[in-house]
Amino acid sequence: KAGVTQTPRYLIKTRGQQVTLSCSPISGHRSVSWYQQTPGQGLQFLFEYFSETQRNKGNFPGRFSGRQFSNSRSEMNVSTLELGDSALYLCASSLSQNQGRYEQYFGPGTRLTVT
Amino acid sequence: AQSVAQPEDQVNVAEGNPLTVKCTYSVSGNPYLFWYVQYPNRGLQFLLKYITGDNLVKGSYGFEAEFNKSQTSFHLKKPSALVSDSALYFCAVRDNTNAGKSTFGDGTTLTVKP
Repeated sequence: KAGVTQTPRYLIKTRGQQVTLSCSPISGHRSVSWYQQTPGQGLQFLFEYFSETQRNKGNFPGRFSGRQFSNSRSEMNVSTLELGDSALYLCASSLSQNQGRYEQYFGPGTRLTVT
Repeated sequence: AQSVAQPEDQVNVAEGNPLTVKCTYSVSGNPYLFWYVQYPNRGLQFLLKYITGDNLVKGSYGFEAEFNKSQTSFHLKKPSALVSDSALYFCAVRDNTNAGKSTFGDGTTLTVKP
């Protein structure tokens, strides 16, 4: 079974621009979560989608948004980029039933650098 | 609110010695506990989990973890460390009332020296 894929792997953007990151979950997984990983803040939860609905959201400003499509693929968007948005963005998928019981499978991440 | 603490930023052990990476948690309901490992420039990989049942759970690569409800701990252990175990380890918690959101610890860097 193919793992979680994320595109692009690396991205360099300028302050004020916007960016869209993509995630394809493992086949059959209907839950997709997004995390921001930085050296200073560790792994911070952004949001989680299940069946095209956002079920949970972390403490990030409205500039961070996401969506999930009917095939469970997900995208996240960051508008008006700031230097502090530079991070590794990780996507994770898991099985659908009784969410908490199932481990998450992570993609390799998208390394976003904002200059 | 749920939280996870990994009190040690760094753990150093000699190859062949036992290792322990500590984790304590706080949740409002019954906890679902997980350990993940991250190798350089890669995503996190699942190691093991505690959902219910036996307090000692076994996972990948010879790792195990012990769930202690009274101490709200879920320490990761391995009887004999390998140099290849050197990586960043994350403990995570989900509770059964807020399914979908995982809270991760800050991570512990394990270094195993030959």
